[in-house]
Amino acid sequence: GIQVEQSPPDLILQEGANSTLRCNFSDSVNNLQWFHQNPWGQLINLFYIPSGTKQNGRLSATTVATERYSLLYISSSQTTDSGVYFCAAPLSYQLTFGKGTKLSVIP
Amino acid sequence: DAGVIQSPRHEVTEMGQEVTLRCKPISGHDYLFWYRQTMMRGLELLIYFNNNVPIDDSGMPEDRFSAKMPNASFSTLKIQPSEPRDSAVYFCASSSGTMLYFGPGTRLTVT
Repeated sequence: GIQVEQSPPDLILQEGANSTLRCNFSDSVNNLQWFHQNPWGQLINLFYIPSGTKQNGRLSATTVATERYSLLYISSSQTTDSGVYFCAAPLSYQLTFGKGTKLSVIP
Repeated sequence: DAGVIQSPRHEVTEMGQEVTLRCKPISGHDYLFWYRQTMMRGLELLIYFNNNVPIDDSGMPEDRFSAKMPNASFSTLKIQPSEPRDSAVYFCASSSGTMLYFGPGTRLTVT
């Protein structure tokens, strides 16, 4: 099946700092998604981004499908951004999740 | 829309007991997924349905696990008999073919 690798595994930021999270995938995809799991365990979808760039407030994502990677940018980080960020790529309609990047934003 | 609804939110049971987890997908979504999350294995897909039909159950750990979707608005995941290693958070998610929406999860503890 498809392999999904995320980096870095852990990230600690001072509030207000910017960060970039990376997701590499092993095969061509037509569906790449980013999720945020907050400290209470809730999984929230952030982006559906098979290619190109999308922005939502302080978050943006870029997927370069031909090079098999996606980036999630977080600008002016806030403590509420803490949690684990997952990317997921499909095999057919089954999403395979990476191990995630654990982000801690400290005030 | 209320989003994906799961019940119960927490379940504590003894080894050997039957456990039934329930899910109501978002109305209009024709894909339903059951995932399990543990510290050791992360998020694993157990089974998914399309138009109420099971498409791939290769992620179901063993015969003790079964899932049904009798109609477009309801699915169950059953574990019988339960074992301590089944302790995990079980997520249901639904989709119309693109973005995936997760329910709040059921935290299962088997003692």
